Amino acid sequence: GNSVTQMEGPVTLSEEAFLTINCTYTATGYPSLFWYVQYPGEGLQLLLKATKADDKGSNKGFEATYRKETTSFHLEKGSVQVSDSAVYFCALSGVKAAGNKLTFGGGTRVLVKP
Amino acid sequence: DAGVTQSPTHLIKTRGQQVTLRCSPKSGHDTVSWYQQALGQGPQFIFQYYEEEERQRGNFPDRFSGHQFPNYSSELNVNALLLGDSALYLCASSWDSPKGIQYFGAGTRLSVL
Repeated sequence: GNSVTQMEGPVTLSEEAFLTINCTYTATGYPSLFWYVQYPGEGLQLLLKATKADDKGSNKGFEATYRKETTSFHLEKGSVQVSDSAVYFCALSGVKAAGNKLTFGGGTRVLVKP
Repeated sequence: DAGVTQSPTHLIKTRGQQVTLRCSPKSGHDTVSWYQQALGQGPQFIFQYYEEEERQRGNFPDRFSGHQFPNYSSELNVNALLLGDSALYLCASSWDSPKGIQYFGAGTRLSVL
């Protein structure tokens, strides 16, 4: 079946540091890939997406590139802020017969210190 | 434009009881999905409703049931609550498309004592 694996946290960084969160997936066909972010006490917010190979999703300084050859969708940000402290989830959807239901990774907690 | 709204925000129940959670989708969306998020874990797909029918179901027992109304709003019902049902329950809405992006509500935090 479909699955998503992301690096375990917590990831602790200083402000203005470079952030990378690794995400790999297993799926048949050509899924869409997403990063969602969850701030404390809140639901999930879509951060960025990519729907086909080599697409780059970007938003709020975050980027991720859909790499079909390595089945990866790593999240990066060049200079993090305290406000980026949150839990980040990698997810996939759109595999044939699975509709648009989302399969999530386990989440990576990021803590940015001033 | 209102986003996805869920009620109640928090709920406390005891084992064996039944609970109903509610969700109103984002304007223009016709598909509602429900997810369970246990503490410290990623959300797990429960089921999806479209045209008032359950279209897909995840690996959850039939104690979990749902309903979609003609206005596209939805309910999640859980019977015979177990301690392990304690979680954040998230509702997501989307257009009916394999590529349709899901937008999430803030969730209902259910505690089973």
